Amino acid sequence: GAGVSQSPRYKVAKRGQDVALRCDPISGHVSLFWYQQALGQGPEFLTYFQNEAQLDKSGLPSDRFFAERPEGSVSTLKIQRTQQEDSAVYLCASSLGGGLAGEQFFGPGTRLTVL
Amino acid sequence: AQKITQTQPGMFVQEKEAVTLDCTYDTSDPSYGLFWYKQPSSGEMIFLIYQGSYDQQNATEGRYSLNFQKARKSANLVISASQLGDSAMYFCAMRENDMRFGAGTRLTVKP
Repeated sequence: GAGVSQSPRYKVAKRGQDVALRCDPISGHVSLFWYQQALGQGPEFLTYFQNEAQLDKSGLPSDRFFAERPEGSVSTLKIQRTQQEDSAVYLCASSLGGGLAGEQFFGPGTRLTVL
Repeated sequence: AQKITQTQPGMFVQEKEAVTLDCTYDTSDPSYGLFWYKQPSSGEMIFLIYQGSYDQQNATEGRYSLNFQKARKSANLVISASQLGDSAMYFCAMRENDMRFGAGTRLTVKP
């Protein structure tokens, strides 16, 4: 498809499990962002890639969170030893260029529920 | 520190009227971008409008316009001729290197 896709759309994990969330950006988009959106809140920035380079990971809440984009296209957000506070919608967005401007196109999100 | 502030948790507007959603921001960087997104109950984030910090004119996109007051660090969204389909959460965001969102305003359009 032409848009940003994310999989899975829904994930239920037991506390302590590892999870991997996938993002397929729009083909050719240089920039890729991950956000965490808790219920009733705005998205919180997690990390940002320009091609395969992770330029900013200041928003990752702990060292249990890890993101990669090894070939500059698909990205994976991994959460190790999930906790209940990790329950949220994880949004991925991509934009064509690497500059400040440019619309970010968002995927549908992955809703993670940690029991 | 909170970088994006949306002081209106909820707003109501009559159909066909105009409404202004407030947004203030905090930065010392001269170069930044300001965005507004709409998030309906279905959850997708829909881009509405963009304003660059060096843009001299206020951005407009159809029924959306951004009232950019740089000295006051405000970037209010004006929606003209409200429609029932405008009912949604609205988020203001600022991009320096990262991208920061406000807490959002829930807009309800009344028939």
